[in-house]
Amino acid sequence: AQSVTQPDIHITVSEGASLELRCNYSYGATPYLFWYVQSPGQGLQLLLKYFSGDTLVQGIKGFEAEFKRSQSSFNLRKPSVHWSDAAEYFCAVALSGGYNKLIFGAGTRLAVHP
Amino acid sequence: KAGVTQTPRYLIKTRGQQVTLSCSPISGHRSVSWYQQTPGQGLQFLFEYFSETQRNKGNFPGRFSGRQFSNSRSEMNVSTLELGDSALYLCASSSLTSGNYEQYFGPGTRLTVT
Repeated sequence: AQSVTQPDIHITVSEGASLELRCNYSYGATPYLFWYVQSPGQGLQLLLKYFSGDTLVQGIKGFEAEFKRSQSSFNLRKPSVHWSDAAEYFCAVALSGGYNKLIFGAGTRLAVHP
Repeated sequence: KAGVTQTPRYLIKTRGQQVTLSCSPISGHRSVSWYQQTPGQGLQFLFEYFSETQRNKGNFPGRFSGRQFSNSRSEMNVSTLELGDSALYLCASSSLTSGNYEQYFGPGTRLTVT
């Protein structure tokens, strides 16, 4: 079965430090890949997506992600974290032909120290 | 454009009752998907509607049902509520134009079953 793994449940970084959140997926073909962010009590906001083409994609709020087919990974990065980035981050995949069924990872909760 | 709206935002029901949640998609979006978010199971896909037809369904019991109206608004219904149905229910809409699989989420309805 298709699955998405986010190995880190919690991550704490200092403000201004770089960030990398890991995501691995299990699927025979290349799925559509997404990163969403959720602030407490809020819905999900789309940060970025990968469908095809350039494997390094840019998103909102200064985030980027790199798709690595050989590693079945789609890691999220940000060069300098701001206190407002504290939230929960979800990696998700949608299978081509699977219409709009998103399969989510368990999420990574990010804490930012001043 | 206005975002995805969900009503009500908060709901408290008693075990055995039924509940109906409403979702209004972004104007022009014809696909509406529903997800359940719980601390234990994370984000799980419930079902997707497109042009008033259910196209995809997750692994939930028949107590969970939905429908979509001609204006793309969607409702989901949970009958015979159980304590385990307490969750944040998220609705997402998508335009699906040119293979665009981006989904935009509403703020959710927080359902508490007592």
